[in-house]
Amino acid sequence: KQEVTQIPAALSVPEGENLVLNCSFTDSAIYNLQWFRQDPGKGLTSLLLIQSSQREQTSGRLNASLDKSSGRSTLYIAASQPGDSATYLCAVRKRGRRALTFGSGTRLQVQP
Amino acid sequence: GAVVSQHPSRVICKSGTSVKIECRSLDFQATTMFWYRQFPKQSLMLMATSNEGSKATYEQGVEKDKFLINHASLTLSTLTVTSAHPEDSSFYICSAWERPGQGISDTQYFGPGTRLTVL
Repeated sequence: KQEVTQIPAALSVPEGENLVLNCSFTDSAIYNLQWFRQDPGKGLTSLLLIQSSQREQTSGRLNASLDKSSGRSTLYIAASQPGDSATYLCAVRKRGRRALTFGSGTRLQVQP
Repeated sequence: GAVVSQHPSRVICKSGTSVKIECRSLDFQATTMFWYRQFPKQSLMLMATSNEGSKATYEQGVEKDKFLINHASLTLSTLTVTSAHPEDSSFYICSAWERPGQGISDTQYFGPGTRLTVL
């Protein structure tokens, strides 16, 4: 059974700092990995999707990497802003399956 | 981009009553929809997979007689929580998978979620 773990569970940083969020998964037979943002009481916003054949994806100040063999992904946020404050979820799609397995998330607080 | 809506966004009900939550794909046809549940400060857990025109597939530990799913059309799936109890209070999120051939990327699109509170 696929298990997805995110570290740290919570993170508080001053504005402007670069930061890294970590995600690990136990079964490397994945189809893709996706990073989401969730604001309190809200739904999910897809940030980046990395196919299993890719090593990284970039969107603006966000960069996500994937090391499938070691079962790890990182989300790098450059020059953090208070508006980045949210919970960040990592989700894995296993080969042959459409549903996603989610990690427990990292709650990020960026202090102005 | 593809849009998925959920209705209602928030519902409060008394214990023992039934509540229906709708999930709609607004600008694409979805052969498959997923229902997830999220308890406070926890992650999303898949409850069931809803396929248009066939019975839903439930994850282990999810009572199919309590959480009734109907995927009657290519744009609508409903989740009915029957005889709701306070422990059913949670955030329910649906996602929709597009019908192949519509030119949308191979991914699922999430609804905004429904907050259920059972008193």
